[in-house]
Amino acid sequence: DIQMTQSPSSLSASVGDRVTITCRASQSTSNFLKWYQQKPGKAPNLLIYGASTLQSGVPSRFSGSGSGTDFTLTISSLQPEDFATYYCQQSYSTPITFGQGTRLEIK
Amino acid sequence: QVQLQESGPGLVRPSETLSLTCTVSGGSISTYYWSWIRQPPGKGLEWIGYIYYSGSTNYNPSLKSRVTISVDTSKNQFSLRLSSVTAADTAFYYCARGSGDYVYWGQGTLVTVSS
Repeated sequence: DIQMTQSPSSLSASVGDRVTITCRASQSTSNFLKWYQQKPGKAPNLLIYGASTLQSGVPSRFSGSGSGTDFTLTISSLQPEDFATYYCQQSYSTPITFGQGTRLEIK
Repeated sequence: QVQLQESGPGLVRPSETLSLTCTVSGGSISTYYWSWIRQPPGKGLEWIGYIYYSGSTNYNPSLKSRVTISVDTSKNQFSLRLSSVTAADTAFYYCARGSGDYVYWGQGTLVTVSS
C-alpha cells in the first residue's frame, strides 16, 4: 500500500493568510494525487485532481503542485469558509489511500 | 446533476453483517465506477472498494475477506455488505462515483456497531 503523510496535522491561521499543506507519498504516485476539503457533517469536496488541476467551481485561491512523492496544497488568501479539514488522496494504485488529514483552524 | 443517497440500518450488532445501498439519481449507473468509502467519527477516510457497472470489483485488501460490493442496474443502485462487524467498523459510510476522482458523494450514513 502507498502511505500518504500530511503535514502539519493541524494548523492555525488568520483570514488573509497564505497557507501551505504538504503531502508525501511512500512511493511515487506520478500525478495521481487529489486534494479534498471536508467540513463537519459533510462529505469531502474535491478541490484539485491530477496534482495541480483545479476542479470546476473551486476558487482560484486554491492551487496544487508536485509530482512523484511530494505534493503541496496552497491557499493564497484564507477566507472564512476555508476553515476545514483537508485530505490528500492517491489513485495511482489500489488500495486507494488518503492522508490522515490537516485541520485548518482560525487563529 | 448526479445525486447519491445511502440507505440502510444505523445500528448493527457485533458479528453480524452491515448492509447499505446507494441509490443514484440524475444519471445512469451503467457508466463509471462506483465506490464505498468510510470514516470513523473524528478520524480519517478509508477506501473500501469499487465496482464497475458490469460487475467487476476491486476491494481494499484490509477488508477484502469481509466485503462484497454489488450493483443492480435495473434499480440504479449499488450495495455494500460487510460481514462479521466489530466496533472498529463503526463509521460514516459514503458512496461515491468514480474509481479515484470523487466528485459526487452521498451525504454519508452513520453505522454504529453495538449490542
